[in-house]
Amino acid sequence: DAMVIQNPRYQVTQFGKPVTLSCSQTLNHNVMYWYQQKSSQAPKLLFHYYDKDFNNEADTPDNFQSRRPNTSFCFLDIRSPGLGDAAMYLCATSPRGGMTNYGYTFGSGTRLTVV
Amino acid sequence: AQSVTQLGSHVSVSEGALVLLRCNYSSSVPPYLFWYVQYPNQGLQLLLKYTSAATLVKGINGFEAEFKKSETSFHLTKPSAHMSDAAEYFCAVTEITGGGNKLTFGTGTQLKVEL
Repeated sequence: DAMVIQNPRYQVTQFGKPVTLSCSQTLNHNVMYWYQQKSSQAPKLLFHYYDKDFNNEADTPDNFQSRRPNTSFCFLDIRSPGLGDAAMYLCATSPRGGMTNYGYTFGSGTRLTVV
Repeated sequence: AQSVTQLGSHVSVSEGALVLLRCNYSSSVPPYLFWYVQYPNQGLQLLLKYTSAATLVKGINGFEAEFKKSETSFHLTKPSAHMSDAAEYFCAVTEITGGGNKLTFGTGTQLKVEL
């Protein structure tokens, strides 16, 4: 089945130690998104890739970076995680931007704990 | 910019009772609207979507929603709640940007189903 896969499901990292979260997709979608979801809150968009074009949200901290080496993979890098970065990180995909009625396909998320 | 407001962060119903989760939107153009469900420690799953075709939209798991332009609403309903419906529900609206469409979520409604 075509899907969005996030690895790992649970990640524990130390305060200040760089961490990378992974997302892959078999849907061949052009657009990939990273959302941060803190406890009992709505998902908040960090950034997205439209093909190779990177689109950062204005309020996304510099501590968060992303890479998309090819269509199938996208990575979220947190350079120096703080306690406030503990959250669920959700990856999502959608077809080319013109299909605005499609909605997204989400992965199962990575729960990040910072100790 | 488009936005959605979900009234009621927590809703509790008895098993077999009607489920009504409220969502109002704000948009200067005809919106595309979505309902997603999230189970604990999971990603978001699409329940249904409104894309300017029929105003009454049927989704998975017996849920449906009606788009009412006059009321700027897109409330989610299910005639008879089941224990397995207990989850968090997010209403979302698509915003079209030059870098691809973006989903903006409401703050979510936690549904509790009691025996």
